[in-house]
Amino acid sequence: DTAVSQTPKYLVTQMGNDKSIKCEQNLGHDTMYWYKQDSKKFLKIMFSYNNKELIINETVPNRFSPKSPDKAHLNLHINSLELGDSAVYFCASSQAYSGNLSGELFFGEGSRLTVL
Amino acid sequence: QKEVEQDPGPLSVPEGAIVSLNCTYSNSAFQYFMWYRQYSRKGPELLMYTYSSGNKEDGRFTAQVDKSSKYISLFIRDSQPSDSATYLCAMSALRGTSYDKVIFGPGTSLSVIP
Repeated sequence: DTAVSQTPKYLVTQMGNDKSIKCEQNLGHDTMYWYKQDSKKFLKIMFSYNNKELIINETVPNRFSPKSPDKAHLNLHINSLELGDSAVYFCASSQAYSGNLSGELFFGEGSRLTVL
Repeated sequence: QKEVEQDPGPLSVPEGAIVSLNCTYSNSAFQYFMWYRQYSRKGPELLMYTYSSGNKEDGRFTAQVDKSSKYISLFIRDSQPSDSATYLCAMSALRGTSYDKVIFGPGTSLSVIP
């Protein structure tokens, strides 16, 4: 059973399009994240939700909008895609005890987005 | 200056070699240190973690933290081809009584040649 699963694994699209990536975790964790990994492997946090509530919102363009319908799901919608959005997007989850965000992160396999 | 710096490599070593991977950081509030391993086309996985200065050993892996120098290391003894991956250091700052979000270094790509 996959602990953190995200779909699709690959996305190729044109500039200006809108796309969504879905993520689900079956670990029972309270906290979920979206990370972006660029071509140099640099992994940068974008958003974090705790029990459906947004708790981290890094400096990310408004074109990126996360949505958490319940604590097991965190989706990412991207409007008006740009060339610079090409990257691998990782969903992750962790169990945050007493507000600690340092718990082990469990990552999905990533969604590779290519914007042409 | 980035919060966490790491030599990106690539690093190529023969099987059986001792590997040393290092990170430096600038924020003295970082108190929790981790190493994640990422195989090609996969998500990162936690390899080791430590809250304190000094050494922590787990099999062929040793994590070392020197808070006075803001420097952390991961040593791999008797390296194996299966160790070929990207190694990401990561750290988290203590804010009051809670730990903040995890910040990753840019990763070092390691190849162990049979």
